[in-house]
Amino acid sequence: AQRVTQPEKLLSVFKGAPVELKCNYSYSGSPELFWYVQYSRQRLQLLLRHISRESIKGFTADLNKGETSFHLKKPFAQEEDSAMYYCALTLYSGNTPLVFGKGTRLSVIA
Amino acid sequence: DAGITQSPRYKITETGRQVTLMCHQTWSHSYMFWYRQDLGHGLRLIYYSAAADITDKGEVPDGYVVSRSKTENFPLTLESATRSQTSVYFCASSESRVSGKAYEQYFGPGTRLTVT
Repeated sequence: AQRVTQPEKLLSVFKGAPVELKCNYSYSGSPELFWYVQYSRQRLQLLLRHISRESIKGFTADLNKGETSFHLKKPFAQEEDSAMYYCALTLYSGNTPLVFGKGTRLSVIA
Repeated sequence: DAGITQSPRYKITETGRQVTLMCHQTWSHSYMFWYRQDLGHGLRLIYYSAAADITDKGEVPDGYVVSRSKTENFPLTLESATRSQTSVYFCASSESRVSGKAYEQYFGPGTRLTVT
């Protein structure tokens, strides 16, 4: 069965420091990977997806099929990045539901 | 951002009571989902629906019932609430993949349910 692992429950970094939120997955098919974010008192929203290869709010994520990873990175953390981050995956074709990791809470310290 | 709404936002109920959480979306999205969010477990899928009158179980369906008679509504019923069902419940919707917008899910604001 498919599984998404986010090994860190909490990650604290200082403002201006680099950030890396880890995500590893196990999936037998060809996966499509996403990062969702939940800011305080706001609803979950899509941050980015691997097929778009885009940078949103300074964040990037590269799919590494060899290491089955999709780590989220930002070179310089900002206080407004403090939030809960969820990695999620689905099959590349079809409409199978997303499988979410347990989430990582990022705290950026001023 | 009134595209997807949930009601009530907060609910306290007693063990054994039936509770229905409502979810409504205005986009005519074909897919709708119910998740529960718990500390240490992240988001877990309860049920989902591909279209009106089509529903399927997710990871944790036991103790829950869903229906989807209309595309825009997807109520979740706890038939006999238990303390273990205390959680934050999120509804979400998405277009079908054939539209080209591959699988971005839009989430509601959540319902915080406490079972005493």
